[in-house]
Amino acid sequence: AQSVSQHNHHVILSEAASLELGCNYSYGGTVNLFWYVQYPGQHLQLLLKYFSGDPLVKGIKGFEAEFIKSKFSFNLRKPSVQWSDTAEYFCAVIDSGGGADGLTFGKGTHLIIQP
Amino acid sequence: DAGVIQSPRHEVTEMGQEVTLRCKPISGHNSLFWYRQTMMRGLELLIYFNNNVPIDDSGMPEDRFSAKMPNASFSTLKIQPSEPRDSAVYFCASSSSQGADGYTFGSGTRLTVV
Repeated sequence: AQSVSQHNHHVILSEAASLELGCNYSYGGTVNLFWYVQYPGQHLQLLLKYFSGDPLVKGIKGFEAEFIKSKFSFNLRKPSVQWSDTAEYFCAVIDSGGGADGLTFGKGTHLIIQP
Repeated sequence: DAGVIQSPRHEVTEMGQEVTLRCKPISGHNSLFWYRQTMMRGLELLIYFNNNVPIDDSGMPEDRFSAKMPNASFSTLKIQPSEPRDSAVYFCASSSSQGADGYTFGSGTRLTVV
């Protein structure tokens, strides 16, 4: 079974600062990787995903993530954050063929952007 | 597509009452998931269905919780009797390809048991 570790439970940044949220996974096979965002009081929404190909993927709202296979990592980045980026961010992984284990989520990182 | 539709959006009930949460997955999705989210425990998978069949219900907290999926377009999560510690936001999600393409979440039901 796969597992996901998000290094920081809470992150506080000022507007315009650069962001990097860490995500490492544990799984021996080929995986699909995702970042979801949950704005206050809302549901989880897909931010970006990686299936194959270019390991640097771009998502909505200026976010990007880089898959480094040798490090089992899929860190989320944004060069300049905005107050509206305040949210909970979840990294998730699944075997690329799908399967009985389903999507495994990390415990989330609560990001607060101070104006 | 209207996305994953959950009802009600909010539910306030008294301890001991039966609560039924509803979910309509995206048409064509063959996997459906029920999650519970609280401040203390975060996001927890309760149960998931594949082609209307329950695959893993190990996350269901106890016998007071039950879930059904009578057809491809409808699922319910029932709590009977409800307790204050069941207060949480309950999310339903659906996917195709056994989740390989990711999940689409509904807007959730915020349950308060008083």
